[in-house]
Amino acid sequence: AQTVTQSQPEMSVQEAETVTLSCTYDTSESDYYLFWYKQPPSRQMILVIRQEAYKQQNATENRFSVNFQKAAKSFSLKISDSQLGDAAMYFCACINNAGNMLTFGGGTRLMVKP
Amino acid sequence: DADVTQTPRNRITKTGKRIMLECSQTKGHDRMYWYRQDPGLGLRLIYYSFDVKDINKGEISDGYSVSRQAQAKFSLSLESAIPNQTALYFCATRDRKETQYFGPGTRLLVL
Repeated sequence: AQTVTQSQPEMSVQEAETVTLSCTYDTSESDYYLFWYKQPPSRQMILVIRQEAYKQQNATENRFSVNFQKAAKSFSLKISDSQLGDAAMYFCACINNAGNMLTFGGGTRLMVKP
Repeated sequence: DADVTQTPRNRITKTGKRIMLECSQTKGHDRMYWYRQDPGLGLRLIYYSFDVKDINKGEISDGYSVSRQAQAKFSLSLESAIPNQTALYFCATRDRKETQYFGPGTRLLVL
């Protein structure tokens, strides 16, 4: 079984600044994948970034990057140069290699102030 | 066109009614999933299917059933809807790199 915890229900950031969203997870699997999904008011679930647990290098996608600390089971998301369009719910998620179940955290609501 | 589509997008029904939510995908993925999202919470898995002959229960399957009519189609049914099934329902597919792609969601209200 997997668990994913997001300890920050809400975060706010000034436009153009940097913000970091926290996520911790627990899994008994040795081979797994981690994700950050964004859910804007349109309610669509949009993939932000993906990390394979066997890779030590942190994933990056343009302004989005992660800090993956495997031993600490931590997977934080850093958003640089925040934009108004980044305002959304962000969900951290984990899936094992068998792909049976994507387990989500409770989400963090990000507000971006102009 | 969207890769994963869901119909209807919104539905209001009454307690005891049978309803079906439909999902279609053009991504060619074998694996499909149905999730439920309650307000302020993450998604929880209802059912998943690895191919047309392989259906599996997720963590909250009670009160739901599914049908995998083809590789591209995966339907979720509520045989007798109840108010606590009011939620946002998502269909998803999965690629070979374990990444899941979600449909736009169906908002269901059971009165």
